[in-house]
Amino acid sequence: DAKTTQPNSMESNEEEPVHLPCNHSTISGTDYIHWYRQLPSQGPEYVIHGLTSNVNNRMASLAIAEDRKSSTLILHRATLRDAAVYYCIPGNSGNTPLVFGKGTRLSVIA
Amino acid sequence: DAMVIQNPRYQVTQFGKPVTLSCSQTLNHNVMYWYQQKSSQAPKLLFHYYDKDFNNEADTPDNFQSRRPNTSFCFLDIRSPGLGDAAMYLCATSRQTGRGTEAFFGQGTRLTVV
Repeated sequence: DAKTTQPNSMESNEEEPVHLPCNHSTISGTDYIHWYRQLPSQGPEYVIHGLTSNVNNRMASLAIAEDRKSSTLILHRATLRDAAVYYCIPGNSGNTPLVFGKGTRLSVIA
Repeated sequence: DAMVIQNPRYQVTQFGKPVTLSCSQTLNHNVMYWYQQKSSQAPKLLFHYYDKDFNNEADTPDNFQSRRPNTSFCFLDIRSPGLGDAAMYLCATSRQTGRGTEAFFGQGTRLTVV
């Protein structure tokens, strides 16, 4: 499994953009980069995933470095409901399961 | 509507008394996972099924077993729960496409061992 490095915690003001970084320097060429988040007292939920190109969906954007050794999850306007632990997870291509790292705890301040 | 359903949401069991947690899915997904999550920690993968093929993580204790009688249901059996097994247990499903895939998680079952 590719190892990941994420900040333990980050803080953002409400309605400001948030950039959550992740280093995954040992990622293999066929691994996708997935992001999940876990709100308090809930199971994790899917946010976004990508392989090489930047990706956008209704929740967030994913910027992937050209060498794929790092990626950044972008929340364009943080809300209080975005306060959660965000996990960056390379892999899950073929038959490899999701393995969670420590993640980044995002706090959003009103 | 919930797509991955875990029952019960809260389970209290006695030390050493076998307990079974259940998970069902309406997504017809190939893969089902069981995770253990202790307080302030990340979810830890215990095992997963790819269809009927069982895959156990190397560090999953023998005390933990799983059954998948059909596509929709998966069970986690803890044969002799210890105090250290108190945790949130999360079930998840995904359809393996080999192209990256979204996993769907249940709300979890919080297990208390007394």
